[in-house]
Amino acid sequence: AQSVTQLDSQVPVFEEAPVELRCNYSSSVSVYLFWYVQYPNQGLQLLLKYLSGSTLVKGINGFEAEFNKSQTSFHLRKPSVHISDTAEYFCAVSEKQGYSTLTFGKGTMLLVSP
Amino acid sequence: GAGVSQSPSNKVTEKGKDVELRCDPISGHTALYWYRQSLGQGLEFLIYFQGNSAPDKSGLPSDRFSAERTGGSVSTLTIQRTQQEDSAVYLCASSLSRAQGNIQYFGAGTRLSVL
Repeated sequence: AQSVTQLDSQVPVFEEAPVELRCNYSSSVSVYLFWYVQYPNQGLQLLLKYLSGSTLVKGINGFEAEFNKSQTSFHLRKPSVHISDTAEYFCAVSEKQGYSTLTFGKGTMLLVSP
Repeated sequence: GAGVSQSPSNKVTEKGKDVELRCDPISGHTALYWYRQSLGQGLEFLIYFQGNSAPDKSGLPSDRFSAERTGGSVSTLTIQRTQQEDSAVYLCASSLSRAQGNIQYFGAGTRLSVL
């Protein structure tokens, strides 16, 4: 079984400032790692994924994340946020074997203000 | 279709009534998943279908919940004798293949309100 911990339920930040949303996971097997974003009243949109290879992955909208196996972390970063980045962000994992379901963190609400 | 389609987008029902939620996955996707998103519990897995295999129902919270997938495509999630705690957003996702890393694509969800 896996678990995902998103340490911050809410992160307020000013526009054009950098941001980091933290995610730690626990699993007894190898996993894939994902970040999804949810805008108000919408479904989940895939932001980026780590499947294998380079531990630094880049996603849409200028976001990137780094997989750190020793710290079992997959933190999401953006060097300069926009008002439009205001949304809820979910970190998720799935087992590498088979069609495994996603295990989600509780989510982090990113609030960008002018 | 271009994406995962769910209907209705909103459903208001009275306690004790049955409801059916529909999901139309991306064409050609072999796996289909149902999740529930509620304020207290976050995002929870409910059930998933993979091809012609028996579905994994391990996430269904009670026997009032059931789902079927017809013809390997459209899926219906049924909740019988709805309770107020069933109020949530029900999300459907589909994925293509293991080679894709189990990347799941989500619909916009059905917001269920049980009065």
